[in-house]
Amino acid sequence: GQNIDQPTEMTATEGAIVQINCTYQTSGFNGLFWYQQHAGEAPTFLSYNVLDGLEEKGRFSSFLSRSKGYSYLLLKELQMKDSASYLCAVMDSNYQLIWGAGTKLIIKP
Amino acid sequence: GAVVSQHPSWVICKSGTSVKIECRSLDFQATTMFWYRQFPKQSLMLMATSNEGSKATYEQGVEKDKFLINHASLTLSTLTVTSAHPEDSSFYICSARDLASGVTDTQYFGPGTRLTVL
Repeated sequence: GQNIDQPTEMTATEGAIVQINCTYQTSGFNGLFWYQQHAGEAPTFLSYNVLDGLEEKGRFSSFLSRSKGYSYLLLKELQMKDSASYLCAVMDSNYQLIWGAGTKLIIKP
Repeated sequence: GAVVSQHPSWVICKSGTSVKIECRSLDFQATTMFWYRQFPKQSLMLMATSNEGSKATYEQGVEKDKFLINHASLTLSTLTVTSAHPEDSSFYICSARDLASGVTDTQYFGPGTRLTVL
């Protein structure tokens, strides 16, 4: 079956760095998405990786290793507003999105 | 875990026709379902919030007469794109909130429906 795994919850300190991991097993691969979702709001697109490597976008970076079925989202210089759920989703060979359950990130002062 | 399905997974239709997309929560009851659309590499845009047994709440700029939503049961919501046009071509994603989760805002997302209007 198809499966996306990411930690349920993580806690980090303001100003620090946190890495949220995502591992996947899917039927085919057409890219991996990271979304940020604040409570009560629609998910916001953060990144899309389809090739191996690291993509940096400001304080957020996303890494992909297709051979390992692994991605991570790296958040630097954490701010209180980064407290949110982070969703990992993989698009499979049928262009369907397989969603992870999301990682709730708690930022402490 | 909670599973949300959508049907069809993809559809191609002619301009002017109507298309119905189903969203089902397979192993839980969902009083609230959400409908989103997503253009490539863009954020999900919330179209409407669907509550079982009542009228859907549409986001600003979404035409309620064009995007008909019916949430007839605790496990099924449908989105009908009426008189579809090429600009309606998009990826439509639904999500469902687990009734048992209470006030927590956990949403479970469906796999999406890719609509192409010719």
